[in-house]
Amino acid sequence: NAGVTQTPKFQVLKTGQSMTLQCAQDMNHEYMSWYRQDPGMGLRLIHYSVGAGITDQGEVPNGYNVSRSTTEDFPLRLLSAAPSQTSVYFCASSYAAGDYNEQFFGPGTRLTVL
Amino acid sequence: GEDVEQSLFLSVREGDSSVINCTYTDSSSTYLYWYKQEPGAGLQLLTYIFSNMDMKQDQRLTVLLNKKDKHLSLRIADTQTGDSAIYFCAEIATGNQFYFGTGTSLTVIP
Repeated sequence: NAGVTQTPKFQVLKTGQSMTLQCAQDMNHEYMSWYRQDPGMGLRLIHYSVGAGITDQGEVPNGYNVSRSTTEDFPLRLLSAAPSQTSVYFCASSYAAGDYNEQFFGPGTRLTVL
Repeated sequence: GEDVEQSLFLSVREGDSSVINCTYTDSSSTYLYWYKQEPGAGLQLLTYIFSNMDMKQDQRLTVLLNKKDKHLSLRIADTQTGDSAIYFCAEIATGNQFYFGTGTSLTVIP
């Protein structure tokens, strides 16, 4: 199993540009989520999905869109990039939401918005 | 969102014990977790504790849970240079969302 994969690893955008961060998992996990990691702030949940066709907002959803058309893929779209979105983005998946479940994380995408 | 607090930095000498502390807010959390992040990598689950336990030991790791004070700690015995990483505590709050702490950067001095 490849686990959770993310592309690209690094990206530089100009303010106002749009892009999609890709995330895929091959573990047949129902639950997938996107986090951003900023210094001194830990990980903050952007959006999550409990299954194909179902998405919901997390703690910091503004400026981001997601969709979940398949169990495997959960792309994150930046509609109009802003310098405040400079961060490291992590995708994670788990078998189910709630109670005990281990989240498996991708290697991250480091995004810089100029 | 929930507030999960950790101190940002901890420095210990190789061979000493490390204690990383965490306070959380949602008393209904069923499980509490410790994740480890090595440089340039994603997070990996290190250990977890069920909320009806006070302590869990796993080789060099000891997790202590004080539900009354909403305080969680991770003790690493005989800390090695390979333990240098960022450690995150996390809880699942109402709504099945994970909330992570700010992370504690552990530096092990040889």
